[in-house]
This record gives sequence, C-alpha cells and structure tokens, in this order.
Amino acid sequence: LAKTTQPISMDSYEGQEVNITCSHNNIATNDYITWYQQFPSQGPRFIIQGYKTKVTNEVASLFIPADRKSSTLSLPRVSLSDTAVYYCLVGDSDNQGGKLIFGQGTELSVKP
Amino acid sequence: DAGVTQSPTHLIKTRGQQVTLRCSPKSGHDTVSWYQQALGQGPQFIFQYYEEEERQRGNFPDRFSGHQFPNYSSELNVNALLLGDSALYLCASSLTGSTDTQYFGPGTRLTVL
Repeated sequence: LAKTTQPISMDSYEGQEVNITCSHNNIATNDYITWYQQFPSQGPRFIIQGYKTKVTNEVASLFIPADRKSSTLSLPRVSLSDTAVYYCLVGDSDNQGGKLIFGQGTELSVKP
Repeated sequence: DAGVTQSPTHLIKTRGQQVTLRCSPKSGHDTVSWYQQALGQGPQFIFQYYEEEERQRGNFPDRFSGHQFPNYSSELNVNALLLGDSALYLCASSLTGSTDTQYFGPGTRLTVL
C-alpha cells in the first residue's frame, strides 16, 4: 500500500476554508484516496473518497491532480466542531474493505 | 440501522491478565477488522475476520487472537497483557466485495496497570 505524508498539525479560524494536502508519490493505478476524520476517543469516520479530478459531497471536496501523486481535502467554512485529526489513506478498491494503513494524520485546530 | 457497536467502552486490567473485547458489525456487513490505536498515533491494523476465519493479519504477536461468530460479530482476545497494550481498540466492519469503505465503532479504551 502506498505511503502517505501529510502535515502533522494545522490551525484555522471559524468560517475559513481549510485545505489539507496529502502526498502519495507511490500511488498505484488501482488505488483510491480516502479521507477519515477522528475525534478524541472515537473511531475514525469516513469523509470522502476519490480516484481522480474532483469529488464533492455535503461535507468536503477532494481535489486530485492528473498525476495523482497528491490530493487535497478541502473543508469549506470550518466551525469549532471540525477540530479533529484527519487521515489520508490510499488503497485499491478491493482493499478499501481490507487492511487500512493510517499515518499520524493532521491535527486540525479551529479557533473562534 | 445500528452502526458498529463495541463493548465494553472502558476496561482496566493488570499486567499478565487476559481480556476479551466484543464487536457487532454494521447491519449487512460480513467482515470485521480490529485496530489498535495508541495515544497520539494512527490506528494500527491487527487482523481481519471473514467467514469466521482470520483473513489478514498485521504485525502483532500471537497474544492477540480473535474470533468471528456466525452472526458476523467478533471478539478480540489479548493474553498476558503488557503495559504497552494500553490503547484504544477499534473495530471496523465492511462488506466483502463492496467498494464501500469500512465503518468504525467507538472503540474500547483498555488501560493496563
């Protein structure tokens, strides 16, 4: 499975847009990119998944350039409740149900 | 539609003891994976169960074992507990053959004294 690199921490203020970039230079052709959110003492929660270009849902957008060696999770107009750790994972479609490899994640702190 | 549930929520044990953690998957899911999350770290894959058999295993010693029942629920057993086993233990369920992602439970916080 491809290794991912993301910033350890980020700070933001309420109402701002937050962009968290993840590098995955060794991503394979069949790999999807998935982002999870985790609050303290809770299990990770799926946010968004994509393969290429742009994916948007009611929570976030995911931008993936043509070479797919990186991806950016975009959180529009964050609130205090978006303070959490965000994990970027890559794996093939079959592996989404298999072993997931988490890095250290990005700890996002949203301030008033 | 119940999500993934885990029990107990918290547990305190002493070194050398044995512990059993339980997980019920999301309705319709047939595969259960277990993860260990130490403080400040990302979750680490322990193993996965499908059709009552261990299908994949991470880099964990044999002290960690599991079981899956016909109703797809699962148990994680840890023998000869060490202080380093203190962590949040997460269960995740999925449907084999589906491209849908795994759904995680709230976890069991294990403290080993």
